[in-house]
Amino acid sequence: QVQLQESGPGLVKPSETLSLTCTVSGGSINTYFWSWIRQPAGKGLEWIGRIYTSGNTNYNPSLRSRVTMSVDTSKNQISLNLTSLTAADTAVYYCAREPQTHPYTSRPLDYWGQGTPVTVSS
Amino acid sequence: DIQMTQSPSSLSASVRDRVTITCRASQSISNYLSWYQQKPGKAPKLLIFAASSLQSGVPSRFSGSGSGTDFTLTISSLQPEDFATYYCQQSYSTPRTFGQGTKVESK
Repeated sequence: QVQLQESGPGLVKPSETLSLTCTVSGGSINTYFWSWIRQPAGKGLEWIGRIYTSGNTNYNPSLRSRVTMSVDTSKNQISLNLTSLTAADTAVYYCAREPQTHPYTSRPLDYWGQGTPVTVSS
Repeated sequence: DIQMTQSPSSLSASVRDRVTITCRASQSISNYLSWYQQKPGKAPKLLIFAASSLQSGVPSRFSGSGSGTDFTLTISSLQPEDFATYYCQQSYSTPRTFGQGTKVESK
């Protein structure tokens, strides 16, 4: 069974950089897109971006100037860096898998991590 | 960006009720539409992909329909464990976008 586990600091200061890692177990990260999604408390879901195991990325234009994603296939890990943090970045951050092949050619997010809460505060 | 609009934002229903949630895309997305269920403190769970395909392990009381811009999620007979928030999401293009969510509450 595929499992995703996000990890990172729960508290980050304003203007600093957030670094999160998603570790995938129970399956290979190869041939999938891996997405990051966030959710402020009591609000909806916002897609941050995705990375393919080749390193190709797509970022949300609203965050593109501050986001970097990377992949380490040897460790089965995906990473997210978000710079210049403000209180508006306080949220639960999820990683999720996006398959591309049959029967999932419509590219849903089929596996999600449990999420890691991040608070931006001094 | 493709805007996804769900309605209603919330609804009250009783066990065994039939529940319908709609999702409209701001442009045609063919069948690149998924539905997720989220319970408090938990990650979203995939229910429906490709607009109408039931994810493995999801009860058959959940069904999806639609194509193009208008989509529907139906719960044929609401069960106690179905009280949750439901989101639609388009995967036709990036950035991926979600509806604002529909909270299904107990009447």
